[in-house]
Amino acid sequence: GAGVSQSPRYKVAKRGQDVALRCDPISGHVSLFWYQQALGQGPEFLTYFQNEAQLDKSGLPSDRFFAERPEGSVSTLKIQRTQQEDSAVYLCASTNSGTGIYEQYFGPGTRLTVT
Amino acid sequence: DQQVKQNSPSLSVQEGRISILNCDYTNSMFDYFLWYKKYPAEGPTFLISISSIKDKNEDGRFTVFLNKSAKHLSLHIVPSQPGDSAVYFCAANPSNDYKLSFGAGTTVTVRA
Repeated sequence: GAGVSQSPRYKVAKRGQDVALRCDPISGHVSLFWYQQALGQGPEFLTYFQNEAQLDKSGLPSDRFFAERPEGSVSTLKIQRTQQEDSAVYLCASTNSGTGIYEQYFGPGTRLTVT
Repeated sequence: DQQVKQNSPSLSVQEGRISILNCDYTNSMFDYFLWYKKYPAEGPTFLISISSIKDKNEDGRFTVFLNKSAKHLSLHIVPSQPGDSAVYFCAANPSNDYKLSFGAGTTVTVRA
């Protein structure tokens, strides 16, 4: 496909479980972003990769959140010991700008519900 | 601290009329502004952008206006069509910074 894809689309986790969310960016896109969108809010920045380098993780809400992009393409966002406040839609975006300052292309998101 | 604010959570407009969506920001370092459109169960889709060196950018039925002194931008959709019914997000970032700051969104409903 031509767009950003994410899997799974929906995830239900019991509190305390670990989850892994996958993002396949547009082929060749250098920059990759993760955002968290709570209900009724706009997306909030979590972390940014340029190729395989994680240049900014300032938005990650706690050390339970971890992201990687080992080969500079697919990225995984991992949340350990999930809590109810982690329930949100997690969006991945990519852009072919190395500076990442132009329009970002978003995937459909993964809706995480922690029960 | 919400740096981008969309104070109208919803807007209802009749088909064929103009939709005007507003956005205010507080960070004077922002110099690139974008509007995204989002349908249910889909990710946001880029719609139109404007650089701070301009005060207007037009693309078909969509026009974005920027008033830097007022730290305000607006999106005009003319004429509104049923397919325009969606959530619209305003976003911004400073120069040389990749982080987008988003507003909370405005839900537009176009009535037939």
